[in-house]
Amino acid sequence: AQSVTQPDIHITVSEGASLELRCNYSYGATPYLFWYVQSPGQGLQLLLKYFSGDTLVQGIKGFEAEFKRSQSSFNLRKPSVHWSDAAEYFCAVGGKDNFNKFYFGSGTKLNVKP
Amino acid sequence: GAVVSQHPSRVICKSGTSVKIECRSLDFQATTMFWYRQFPKQSLMLMATSNEGSKATYEQGVEKDKFLINHASLTLSTLTVTSAHPEDSSFYICSARTNIYNEQFFGPGTRLTVL
Repeated sequence: AQSVTQPDIHITVSEGASLELRCNYSYGATPYLFWYVQSPGQGLQLLLKYFSGDTLVQGIKGFEAEFKRSQSSFNLRKPSVHWSDAAEYFCAVGGKDNFNKFYFGSGTKLNVKP
Repeated sequence: GAVVSQHPSRVICKSGTSVKIECRSLDFQATTMFWYRQFPKQSLMLMATSNEGSKATYEQGVEKDKFLINHASLTLSTLTVTSAHPEDSSFYICSARTNIYNEQFFGPGTRLTVL
């Protein structure tokens, strides 16, 4: 079955500290992987995506993610967190099947301490 | 490019009325559109997938007669919440895809409040 697991519901980090948000997926075909950020009451903003090739993907706002096929993971990282990064983060997996139907994780809420 | 709009952004209605939400792809032709709903502090739940010119495919547990989806053109899909009740209050997000891109492009969402 297709699914995405984000094991951390809430994470709090200090401003300037590094960040890693975990994402594990289960997908029966070649996965396309995405990370989105959502501020309260807002829509989704795409941070980065992985289709193929280099397994380390760079995104916007200084985020990066690494695809590890052996671990079925696509963790999001940022070396130094800014207060404006406080938001909800969603990992999603899709593919060519089912018209690119997405499966979303439950989300990780990031709080940033001053 | 690849911009998706939704209208309205917020709507408040009385219980028992119907509400229509529009989703438009502004600069590309969307062969497929998706409708999601999101309850507070929860993830996005796919409601249905609609392909232009054909009937929508609803996810298990989503009432077809309650949530009417029309995808009449390659740039417009509509979601009508019929006889809305307070439990239908939610954040509704649409997305669109085209055969060119292997991803979905999301609209900004519509906040529905049913009194």
